[in-house]
This record gives sequence, structure tokens and C-alpha cells, in this order.
Amino acid sequence: KAGVTQTPRYLIKTRGQQVTLSCSPISGHRSVSWYQQTPGQGLQFLFEYFSETQRNKGNFPGRFSGRQFSNSRSEMNVSTLELGDSALYLCASSSRQGGNTEAFFGQGTRLTVV
Amino acid sequence: GENVEQHPSTLSVQEGDSAVIKCTYSDSASNYFPWYKQELGKGPQLIIDIRSNVGEKKDQRIAVTLNKTAKHFSLHITETQPEDSAVYFCAAGSGTYKYIFGTGTRLKVLA
Repeated sequence: KAGVTQTPRYLIKTRGQQVTLSCSPISGHRSVSWYQQTPGQGLQFLFEYFSETQRNKGNFPGRFSGRQFSNSRSEMNVSTLELGDSALYLCASSSRQGGNTEAFFGQGTRLTVV
Repeated sequence: GENVEQHPSTLSVQEGDSAVIKCTYSDSASNYFPWYKQELGKGPQLIIDIRSNVGEKKDQRIAVTLNKTAKHFSLHITETQPEDSAVYFCAAGSGTYKYIFGTGTRLKVLA
């Protein structure tokens, strides 16, 4: 069974630009969550999607948004990029929604904002 | 708000010795506690988890203990090997919210 696939692996963007990251969950998993990982803040929860609906949202500004498609693939968008958005963005897939089930992470997309 | 404290931030042990990483959570609603291992350039990998109705769980050289009353849970790695060197994260989750992660422990196993 294929794992969680995130594309692209690396991105370099300029301040003010916008970026879209993609995540394909494990086959059969309907929950996709996104996390931001930085050396200073660790892993911070961004949002969770289940059956194309955002179920939970972390404490991030509205510049961070996402969506989920009918095949459970998810995209995350960041608009008006700031230097502080440089981070590893991780996607995790689960078979059920909520925080009491196993979540499996992808390799992440490393975003650098210059 | 909810948070998870993790200690120590770095840990060096000799190969063959045991390693213990401790976490404390604040949200009483937390009922699921996974542990992840993250190697350089990779995403976190689930290595073991425990639910709030269980006090201890073991998988070969890895064990996790949970004290619900004290809101503590710990990861124990016995007979450490160089390939155990990585960053380890604890997390706490509940039915309505995704995980709150600890700040990570960098484990170095010295050959």
C-alpha cells in the first residue's frame, strides 16, 4: 500500500507570492491534516479535512487555506507569503477524523520564502 | 490552551543502554497518545501509540507507559542501537481535535 505522497518536495518562493502544496493520502483514508514544522515552534496543527469538509482549524491566519477533493486528495494554499512562512509542511492521513486515531505522515514539502 | 511538554530536549546514551523520554499533557480530554520518530529529511513515522484505557504497551524494544491521573506518558527504548538516533515527538489527541505535539527530543546513540 502506498504511503502519503506530498508534492513538491521543495519550493522556493518570494515574499508576497502565493503557493499551493498537494497531498495524496493513503488509499482508503478520508481524513487529511496539515501541520507546519519549524525549529522554533515544532509541529503546529493547521487544519483537518474529512470528506471534503474542514473539521478542525488551528491558530493560523486566513492566508493559510486548504481544500479536499472527492478522491480525498488535499491541497494547502498560502497567500501573500512572508519570510516566517518558511517551514516544512507536513500532511498526515487517517482513516477517521479526530485526534484519537493513527495518523501517517508524508515526507513533507520544504518551503523557503526569500 | 492545550499543550504538551516534552523532556529532555536532547539525550545521549551509549549503545546498548536504555533511553527514556517523558511528556506531560494538559487537556483532560486527551485519550490517544502516539509517539513519532523523525529522521533527517523525512516525515515523522509512527512507532507506537497508547490509548487512555491502557497503562502500558510494549513492542519489542519500545514501550510506552501512561499515567492518566498525573497526565504523564513516557517512551522507553531498551538496548539502544545507532539506528535509533533521531528526533522523537510525543503527541496527545482527543476525539474532537487533532494532535498537540511535544517539542521533540533529539536522541543520539553513541557507538
